[in-house]
Amino acid sequence: RKEVEQDPGPFNVPEGATVAFNCTYSNSASQSFFWYRQDCRKEPKLLMSVYSSGNEDGRFTAQLNRASQYISLLIRDSKLSDSATYLCVVNENNNDMRFGAGTRLTVKP
Amino acid sequence: DAGVIQSPRHEVTEMGQEVTLRCKPISGHNSLFWYRQTMMRGLELLIYFNNNVPIDDSGMPEDRFSAKMPNASFSTLKIQPSEPRDSAVYFCASSLRQGGTQYFGPGTRLLVL
Repeated sequence: RKEVEQDPGPFNVPEGATVAFNCTYSNSASQSFFWYRQDCRKEPKLLMSVYSSGNEDGRFTAQLNRASQYISLLIRDSKLSDSATYLCVVNENNNDMRFGAGTRLTVKP
Repeated sequence: DAGVIQSPRHEVTEMGQEVTLRCKPISGHNSLFWYRQTMMRGLELLIYFNNNVPIDDSGMPEDRFSAKMPNASFSTLKIQPSEPRDSAVYFCASSLRQGGTQYFGPGTRLLVL
């Protein structure tokens, strides 16, 4: 079983749609969680950290469920510029960051 | 502010040649990471340093790979001899502290023929 699992997609949605990604992790002792965004042929960039209480940044909402060991990312009112691959990242032990394979999103006009 | 700097951005070489990838982390960052990304295996951590000291190299695929960090502002990843299966994008990342947000460089696209 992979340490961090994501639905690879692709998710193809129209502009304005709401889309949700889920990610599961295997190590119950994992300490911190992140969503990164990677554009085609670019480096991954931090989108947002994920906190136990859930957190929101504009159109993006991230949630963590420690009991079920999953993380989610919700994108509301999706824009063309949201098209990218979204990587779920779990920090298992300080610097031991595990990346999911990524979920590809395409937002179409 | 300068981000993580990697060179070269692209490298094409022949099997058996030595390849050296370079990274300059963000000034003041204490942790440095080398990753490899392929379509088949995704993003894999190869090795990371904390305060210039290698902490975990369990991700280094084999003895052909080596990494050094002689000072806080420079690191190298060397492959000798290179093989076609080493073709990938190699990213360097740095973070201010252990467990902190990692900032990635633009990557080096390596093609071994």
